[in-house]
Amino acid sequence: GDSVTQMEGPVTLSEEAFLTINCTYTATGYPSLFWYVQYPGEGLQLLLKATKADDKGSNKGFEATYRKETTSFHLEKGSVQVSDSAVYFCALSDPGNAGGTSYGKLTFGQGTILTVHP
Amino acid sequence: NAGVTQTPKFQVLKTGQSMTLQCAQDMNHNSMYWYRQDPGMGLRLIYYSASEGTTDKGEVPNGYNVSRLNKREFSLRLESAAPSQTSVYFCASTGLGSYNEQFFGPGTRLTVL
Repeated sequence: GDSVTQMEGPVTLSEEAFLTINCTYTATGYPSLFWYVQYPGEGLQLLLKATKADDKGSNKGFEATYRKETTSFHLEKGSVQVSDSAVYFCALSDPGNAGGTSYGKLTFGQGTILTVHP
Repeated sequence: NAGVTQTPKFQVLKTGQSMTLQCAQDMNHNSMYWYRQDPGMGLRLIYYSASEGTTDKGEVPNGYNVSRLNKREFSLRLESAAPSQTSVYFCASTGLGSYNEQFFGPGTRLTVL
């Protein structure tokens, strides 16, 4: 079945440091890939997405490139801020083999807690 | 446009009690989902509704039931709560042609004693 694996956390960085959170996946079809962010006490918000190989998703200074050859979708940011402290989830939606009908179901990684200190 | 709303925000139950978590969306989305979030385990799908009038089991359906009341509303019921159901519950929805981007509610934090 489908699965998503994220790097072990938590991650603690100083402000302006470079961030990488690794994400690899296993899927039967051609999935869409997502990064969601959860700020303390809130629900998940879509951060960025990529729908086909070599696509780069970007938002708020974060980037991730869909790498089919390495089945990866690593999240990066060049200079983190205290306000980026949150939990980050990698996820995939796989249409599978049933005529492309996944009904929008997502498979999530376990989440990575990021804490940024001033 | 409120997006996805959930009630209640917090709830404490005793083992064996029942309750219903409510979810509504105002984005005219076809599909709706219930997830639970536990530390170190990400989000796990409990039930989903691909469209009005249909529901299907997800990864962890045991101990739960759902009702897709209409296109807007999708409720989750715990008939006899157990301590293992202590969790944060999220409702989400998605529309057609959105590459399955899901929109999430703020969550319900449930404690079962």
